[in-house]
Amino acid sequence: GAVVSQHPSRVICKSGTSVKIECRSLDFQATTMFWYRQFPKQSLMLMATSNEGSKATYEQGVEKDKFLINHASLTLSTLTVTSAHPEDSSFYICSARPSSGRSYEQYFGPGTRLTVT
Amino acid sequence: GQSLEQPSEVTAVEGAIVQINCTYQTSGFYGLSWYQQHDGGAPTFLSYNALDGLEETGRFSSFLSRSDSYGYLLLQELQMKDSASYFCAVRDWNYGGSQGNLIFGKGTKLSVKP
Repeated sequence: GAVVSQHPSRVICKSGTSVKIECRSLDFQATTMFWYRQFPKQSLMLMATSNEGSKATYEQGVEKDKFLINHASLTLSTLTVTSAHPEDSSFYICSARPSSGRSYEQYFGPGTRLTVT
Repeated sequence: GQSLEQPSEVTAVEGAIVQINCTYQTSGFYGLSWYQQHDGGAPTFLSYNALDGLEETGRFSSFLSRSDSYGYLLLQELQMKDSASYFCAVRDWNYGGSQGNLIFGKGTKLSVKP
């Protein structure tokens, strides 16, 4: 099956620093990748949609200057949380849609738990 | 706007059958998906319905009625490992580009008791 990896799985950083999270599709190419945020016991909230080689599309209320997304290749997207604050602590999950195959397919990474102290 | 409603919690015993309902409101419906998520883990795809009717995959089945904006996930022969959160998600073509994007419900926490 299609595998999506995320790195790191957990990260603790100090307030004011930046953190980069990588999302990779390991055995397929993904023109489109998605970044979600999930608070404890809550649903997944889409933050942004990234398409390879173009600017990401951010959902309403998501600060694009704070959450920088780069989708530089068909297998890698990165999310950088800039000037992190404790309220940015959350579970960040990426998802990738195969470039070929059924349009409803979307595979999720294992998530990255960010804690900002 | 878009909204999905599903029960917050369901409890059942091993070997039983449980049905998790999902009603949705969306402007550009593509299809209804179901995902399973264990605590701290990634959502994993269970099923997808684009047309009315029942889709069966092993112990799990999913049903869709587009006229009622309603679907359900049916889990049979419950096992302890089925304890997880189950999310229904609608793919909406007005949300997230030409192929649409997933809008998730709040999730149903299923607890399977011995």
